[in-house]
Amino acid sequence: GAGVSQSPSNKVTEKGKDVELRCDPISGHTALYWYRQSLGQGLEFLIYFQGNSAPDKSGLPSDRFSAERTGGSVSTLTIQRTQQEDSAVYLCASSYFHGENQPQHFGDGTRLSIL
Amino acid sequence: GDSVTQMEGPVTLSEEAFLTINCTYTATGYPSLFWYVQYPGEGLQLLLKATKADDKGSNKGFEATYRKETTSFHLEKGSVQVSDSAVYFCALRGGGANSKLTFGKGITLSVRP
Repeated sequence: GAGVSQSPSNKVTEKGKDVELRCDPISGHTALYWYRQSLGQGLEFLIYFQGNSAPDKSGLPSDRFSAERTGGSVSTLTIQRTQQEDSAVYLCASSYFHGENQPQHFGDGTRLSIL
Repeated sequence: GDSVTQMEGPVTLSEEAFLTINCTYTATGYPSLFWYVQYPGEGLQLLLKATKADDKGSNKGFEATYRKETTSFHLEKGSVQVSDSAVYFCALRGGGANSKLTFGKGITLSVRP
């Protein structure tokens, strides 16, 4: 079956612009996660959704970052007024619920470059 | 908070060499432990996992044993291949309602023919 799909695969934008990143999880997966992979910081957790609610937003680095999920499926991560330090690969993952034995399946990521 | 420490890289080995990649962790409760791999140009893939102490995860010739007494989850392979060249990430998932993965910084493995 289809894996986690992310779009766009690459995004280049000017500092100060807003960007939206999309994640389409594996069908039937109720848990959805956003992570960020950057050179200096490695892989960092951003936010977790269970269905349409976000019980854990602790990783969002500032109030410029927000995310939503609708219909228990597609999620959008929005970054407002982008800064150069936002340049990174943004990864989405999904799993069946959040049980300990449920592995997270990752998409290929969106590579975001802020000029 | 939870943390994962991996040995510094990169690592370069000749084909058929023995591989060990060290990973230690700090966590409250009873975490599950994972190794993820990222091949060149591809996304993160789960390589193996262990959910409780003394469990051994294995896949594609790789093994790692969950050692609670030393808080370690070292990755080993007896004979590496060129196709094993990739970035390897150790990760933990905290117990209970905690769902997020905490990753180590990753280590790049290059295997020479």
